[in-house]
Amino acid sequence: GAGVSQTPSNKVTEKGKYVELRCDPISGHTALYWYRQSLGQGPEFLIYFQGTGAADDSGLPNDRFFAVRPEGSVSTLKIQRTERGDSAVYLCASSSLGGGITDTQYFGPGTRLTVL
Amino acid sequence: AQTVTQSQPEMSVQEAETVTLSCTYDTSESNYYLFWYKQPPSRQMILVIRQEAYKQQNATENRFSVNFQKAAKSFSLKISDSQLGDTAMYFCAFMKHGIQGGSEKLVFGKGTKLTVNP
Repeated sequence: GAGVSQTPSNKVTEKGKYVELRCDPISGHTALYWYRQSLGQGPEFLIYFQGTGAADDSGLPNDRFFAVRPEGSVSTLKIQRTERGDSAVYLCASSSLGGGITDTQYFGPGTRLTVL
Repeated sequence: AQTVTQSQPEMSVQEAETVTLSCTYDTSESNYYLFWYKQPPSRQMILVIRQEAYKQQNATENRFSVNFQKAAKSFSLKISDSQLGDTAMYFCAFMKHGIQGGSEKLVFGKGTKLTVNP
């Protein structure tokens, strides 16, 4: 079946602009995660959804970052008033909620955000 | 808080030989999972192998195996018969088991860049 998809693949914006990044999880996966990967670093957790609700948003760096998952499937990460420091690859992952072997997270190809 | 340390920023190996990537972690949790992910230049993170902490037997997946030392909090990855396609960044990751059996966030190390030379 299809894997996790993310759009756009690349996004270039100017400082101060608003951007939206989209994630389509694997069909049937109820858990969805957003991570941010800066150059030369491992991914860092941003937010985790169980169904439609944000179960853990402790990784969001500030109130300019917001994410939604209104129907429990597609998720959108929204960044307001972008700053140059927001430049990174934003990765989305999904997993089948239930524990045990189903905890494996499957990643999308990421969106590379560049803020000029 | 959990931390994951990968002490080898870069490694190289000749094709067909064996290489071991190191990973240590710090946690007070007793029930957790450990993972190795591969990230080629395409950016897609690909799961290589996983280990449940309650299992003493080391996980293996074809040419990939781990050496899990729970007391030492060590989780190294061995790649046998290295292939050119193994060239990538490799990330070690930790995940605690969710209280209600659900998923938890992954905590990643900084990665090891592996180059397989012909």
